[in-house]
Amino acid sequence: GQQLNQSPQSMFIQEGEDVSMNCTSSSIFNTWLWYKQDPGEGPVLLIALYKAGELTSNGRLTAQFGITRKDSFLNISASIPSDVGIYFCAGISSNTGKLIFGQGTTLQVKP
Amino acid sequence: DSGVTQTPKHLITATGQRVTLRCSPRSGDLSVYWYQQSLDQGLQFLIQYYNGEERAKGNILERFSAQQFPDLHSELNLSSLELGDSALYFCASSPNVGLAGFDDEQYFGPGTRLTVT
Repeated sequence: GQQLNQSPQSMFIQEGEDVSMNCTSSSIFNTWLWYKQDPGEGPVLLIALYKAGELTSNGRLTAQFGITRKDSFLNISASIPSDVGIYFCAGISSNTGKLIFGQGTTLQVKP
Repeated sequence: DSGVTQTPKHLITATGQRVTLRCSPRSGDLSVYWYQQSLDQGLQFLIQYYNGEERAKGNILERFSAQQFPDLHSELNLSSLELGDSALYFCASSPNVGLAGFDDEQYFGPGTRLTVT
């Protein structure tokens, strides 16, 4: 079946550093979504991308819809302790129309 | 607050028992999705309902079933519970008003933490 490969699996960084994570697939997607999950809570939608090449920001977060429609990345600038959590990418397949999730990137920030 | 509500927040029960988890979608959303998340694992899609009808099935065990009612709230029934069923169970909703059969952005509830002892 279709899969999203999300990397890195985990990151441990210093407060103030920038962070980058990405999601890739061999399939084409119509929409890319990025979610953040705090411990014990439900995932929260951060950014939605609808067009190839689209670059969208939400505060210190920036995400891009890859030009090939097979990938997306999320950058977090000047990280702070409350950025800690699991970040999930998700894509709506242009083939099946189904939303599938990556396995998540666990981010830890050292003050 | 996503607008999706789930009850109960926590549930502790014994092996072999049956439980029901409840979800109310965001106002106006027609689709409800159920996910299971075990410790340090990703989100495993279980099942989707759209406007009262089952739309898609994922890795849902035969011991599990779900339904969506006319008021669009949904229930996930878990029976003959095993220790391995302990997990967070999330409900998500989406409008699904776009291309026929295509998913939309999903909005998640706070989850139900099930502990089977």
